Amino acid sequence: EDQVTQSPEALRLQEGESSSLNCSYTVSGLRGLFWYRQDPGKGPEFLFTLYSAGEEKEKERLKATLTKKESFLHITAPKPEDSATYLCAVQPTGNQFYFGTGTSLTVIP
Amino acid sequence: EADIYQTPRYLVIGTGKKITLECSQTMGHDKMYWYQQDPGMELHLIHYSYGVNSTEKGDLSSESTVSRIRTEHFPLTLESARPSHTSQYLCASSRRAVNEQFFGPGTRLTVL
Repeated sequence: EDQVTQSPEALRLQEGESSSLNCSYTVSGLRGLFWYRQDPGKGPEFLFTLYSAGEEKEKERLKATLTKKESFLHITAPKPEDSATYLCAVQPTGNQFYFGTGTSLTVIP
Repeated sequence: EADIYQTPRYLVIGTGKKITLECSQTMGHDKMYWYQQDPGMELHLIHYSYGVNSTEKGDLSSESTVSRIRTEHFPLTLESARPSHTSQYLCASSRRAVNEQFFGPGTRLTVL
């Protein structure tokens, strides 16, 4: 069964304290893995797509990496405006997407 | 910034009412999707479409229907709303060859 698990559920960081979010997946073939940011009361905002193990993508303080079983979203020197819920989604062979429940990140000034 | 719109943003209705949630995108995307999201839970796919006159049910069809008469428009209809339909409904779109999805702001539905 296709499944996506994100950890931790919640994370509190001091401003400038780097950390990583985890997305573990079990799917029957992977067409793509996606990271989104979601602010309260809003729709998810696309961040990255990763297609194959070993691939990395960067955007400002965020860096996403992918292995055959998991993906990490590394946050370097976070700022309060990085506070949000970060969602991971996978697209197996087929047409559907499977989302994790997200990691709620709070960055304290 | 993605141009995908949802109306209404908030809706409170009584049980048994018929409602339509609107979704429009101006990016010319072929693929469109409807998701349901409850607090702290993952997004569940309700319906999707790969183009005009194409619609498919997701894992959670939720007693709703969709139509795709125009590329830019993908409305979701609940024939008879129930309290169990209370949730956040998110619409998304993507280009055919590239699968990242762009989401609208959502409709928060409350059924009393």
